Amino acid sequence: GAVVSQHPSWVICKSGTSVKIECRSLDFQATTMFWYRQFPKQSLMLMATSNEGSKATYEQGVEKDKFLINHASLTLSTLTVTSAHPEDSSFYICSARDPGTGVAGEQFFGPGTRLTVL
Amino acid sequence: AQRVTQPEKLLSVFKGAPVELKCNYSYSGSPELFWYVQYSRQRLQLLLRHISRESIKGFTADLNKGETSFHLKKPFAQEEDSAMYYCALGNYGQNFVFGPGTRLSVLP
Repeated sequence: GAVVSQHPSWVICKSGTSVKIECRSLDFQATTMFWYRQFPKQSLMLMATSNEGSKATYEQGVEKDKFLINHASLTLSTLTVTSAHPEDSSFYICSARDPGTGVAGEQFFGPGTRLTVL
Repeated sequence: AQRVTQPEKLLSVFKGAPVELKCNYSYSGSPELFWYVQYSRQRLQLLLRHISRESIKGFTADLNKGETSFHLKKPFAQEEDSAMYYCALGNYGQNFVFGPGTRLSVLP
């Protein structure tokens, strides 16, 4: 199946700093990628839909100025957590659809990035 | 609005016993339903999708539009089935809505 990578896999930062997380589709082109947030022992919560070449679509309650998303190419989307605070500590997961799989709707997930803000 | 419910947070069964993980959804159009599994320390991966009507690792799931359900079943649970299971609802070309997940624990 298609492979999605994320970098870094974990990051620790000080409160007030910004952190960038990369999501890459390794063997396919993804016009759409998704960013999720997962709290411990909870389900995935969609944060935003990242569209190549256009602005991201944010879910209700997600601050677009705090979680900056850039989808500059068909294989890369980035999520930048600006002025991070301890409450932003979480597991961030990206996913992408491979239009070539022939199965509408299937998403391939990255391994996730654990962010800890001190 | 799209919504997925999984009533059980935790389901414990003994090895060899049948398993049924419940999933109900609400959606006004024609839904795509998926089951994703997350083993310990691994990424989320697709287990089943309703349109393929296949059996993966002994699991099956049938879409029941009348009951708006997509329950996941396996006749004989194995210890390696222990994981988090998420039911997901998708609309063709749109984003997913995930259920809260059910942690399956298969006891020896």
